[in-house]
Amino acid sequence: KQEVTQIPAALSVPEGENLVLNCSFTDSAIYNLQWFRQDPGKGLTSLLLIQSSQREQTSGRLNASLDKSSGRSTLYIAASQPGDSATYLCAVRRGGANNLFFGTGTRLTVIP
Amino acid sequence: DVKVTQSSRYLVKRTGEKVFLECVQDMDHENMFWYRQDPGLGLRLIYFSYDVKMKEKGDIPEGYSVSREKKERFSLILESASTNQTSMYLCASTPSYYGYTFGSGTRLTVV
Repeated sequence: KQEVTQIPAALSVPEGENLVLNCSFTDSAIYNLQWFRQDPGKGLTSLLLIQSSQREQTSGRLNASLDKSSGRSTLYIAASQPGDSATYLCAVRRGGANNLFFGTGTRLTVIP
Repeated sequence: DVKVTQSSRYLVKRTGEKVFLECVQDMDHENMFWYRQDPGLGLRLIYFSYDVKMKEKGDIPEGYSVSREKKERFSLILESASTNQTSMYLCASTPSYYGYTFGSGTRLTVV
């Protein structure tokens, strides 16, 4: 069964710092990987989607990379802001099936 | 933008009540999902549906049922609500092989 791990579980950084969140998965037979953001008590907001044939995706200050062979993805956030404070979840989608395997999440706090 | 709308943000129900959670998506996605999210347990899949009138059990279907009479609507039903079903419920939809879109969640409290 696919296992998805996110390290660290929590991270505090001062405003303006660049940071990297990590996601690893055990089965490389994935169709895509998606990064989500979740604010307390709210639903999940999709940030970036990387198909298995892609190496990275960028949106504004966010850049996500995917190395399928090693089972790793990173989410890079440039010039962090207090508004980036949230829990970040990665999720991998199995090839040929409509299901997501979620990571455990990283709770990010950006200190003004 | 795809929208997934959950009818209630907060619900308080009594033990034993039949509870309906409604989810509507506006982008003609064939796949829809119900998850629950609990502290320390992450997101767990309850049920999903590939098409109208089709449903598949997820990891924790006990105590729940679903209905999908129309493509855009996927309902989660708690036949007889219990306190251990107090949770955040999240609906999602996706076309095949692309990204998921989630609703804003329903916080259900069973007293």
